[in-house]
Amino acid sequence: AQSVSQHNHHVILSEAASLELGCNYSYGGTVNLFWYVQYPGQHLQLLLKYFSGDPLVKGIKGFEAEFIKSKFSFNLRKPSVQWSDTAEYFCAVNVKGNNRLAFGKGNQVVVIP
Amino acid sequence: DTAVSQTPKYLVTQMGNDKSIKCEQNLGHDTMYWYKQDSKKFLKIMFSYNNKELIINETVPNRFSPKSPDKAHLNLHINSLELGDSAVYFCASSQVPVIDNSPLHFGNGTRLTVT
Repeated sequence: AQSVSQHNHHVILSEAASLELGCNYSYGGTVNLFWYVQYPGQHLQLLLKYFSGDPLVKGIKGFEAEFIKSKFSFNLRKPSVQWSDTAEYFCAVNVKGNNRLAFGKGNQVVVIP
Repeated sequence: DTAVSQTPKYLVTQMGNDKSIKCEQNLGHDTMYWYKQDSKKFLKIMFSYNNKELIINETVPNRFSPKSPDKAHLNLHINSLELGDSAVYFCASSQVPVIDNSPLHFGNGTRLTVT
């Protein structure tokens, strides 16, 4: 079945550590890729997106993600996290031309000061 | 200036009751959505409307009925509430129905608890 997979649901790390969250999808065809962030008690906000072009995408707050088509992956990275990065991170995939956005199950990230 | 606003933020009710959740967006978007986030944080689309027309209707019990009086509003009415309906419901909007170049903007969510 078509799906979006995020592993390591719970991630705990210290400030200044590097963060990498994996996202794999199983959809065929051309896709649009997104990472959304949900801070505690808040709504989902777009962190970054990939539609076409350079597979390395830079988003807000120092986050970046790399689309590797051969691996069906769109991993999120941040070289040095801050306490304020504590949040839930969701990968989402949209097949181009379709208005459905499929979400992964999220990664709960806790950054310890 | 809230872009996508939902009310209420919290809703606690008993099984069998009927309740509604309201959503409004002031972004001028044509398309609105309802997503359900279950206890495991899994987000799944329920409905989508484009210019008041239903365009996505996933496998959702017919106790759930969306209503779009105009393109800025998409309300969700739930009849005969069940324990399994407890979840966080997110409203979202996008400029056009095709998500290419048109990311979703989400509301703050409505936490529904059925007792």
